[in-house]
Amino acid sequence: SQQGEEDPQALSIQEGENATMNCSYKTSINNLQWYRQNSGRGLVHLILIRSNEREKHSGRLRVTLDTSKKSSSLLITASRAADTASYFCATDVVDDYKLSFGAGTTVTVRA
Amino acid sequence: DGGITQSPKYLFRKEGQNVTLSCEQNLNHDAMYWYRQDPGQGLRLIYYSQIVNDFQKGDIAEGYSVSREKKESFPLTVTSAQKNPTAFYLCASSLQGRGSEQFFGPGTRLTVL
Repeated sequence: SQQGEEDPQALSIQEGENATMNCSYKTSINNLQWYRQNSGRGLVHLILIRSNEREKHSGRLRVTLDTSKKSSSLLITASRAADTASYFCATDVVDDYKLSFGAGTTVTVRA
Repeated sequence: DGGITQSPKYLFRKEGQNVTLSCEQNLNHDAMYWYRQDPGQGLRLIYYSQIVNDFQKGDIAEGYSVSREKKESFPLTVTSAQKNPTAFYLCASSLQGRGSEQFFGPGTRLTVL
């Protein structure tokens, strides 16, 4: 079953703009991770935020987590063409071994 | 270079054939995973292994089999029992088990002719 769901499904922005995508999940988690996938490639880990954290930064990435709303957001600031990819959230559910991935948000950055 | 490799990159199979996808890692990770990705969808877990000689079924194990005889290797066999095997297959590994950052291979695209 799919624990996380990203919104929107697709996003098109101009280079230099910010991109925001959201992830909602259903059950309590230990942590939430964001991954990037370029077309036809494997996933690359971007950032991990634990359930007791509210915000985390890594370079141009900012992730927030609201456990009361069971949601997370990923903000990419000053986007570049190289940011064109699909972005997935993955949740580590309490009492379950697996990471559960959402269907992803496809981001296109136009030059 | 440390990393995780998958081979082949593209694989074509006739209906009724078994095929084996290779996954090797030199990261000294204990845990390894196999996922299936269909167009426009997220990843679904097929099998995972936390330690050598042990593995567990994921959400969609039917029609697949694995082995974990060595820490570095976690091959996946797609059997003829898998009704719709055409998909993109991703292997991953992590240093620890649950909740750890996962490192992914480049994937194998399997097409059934």
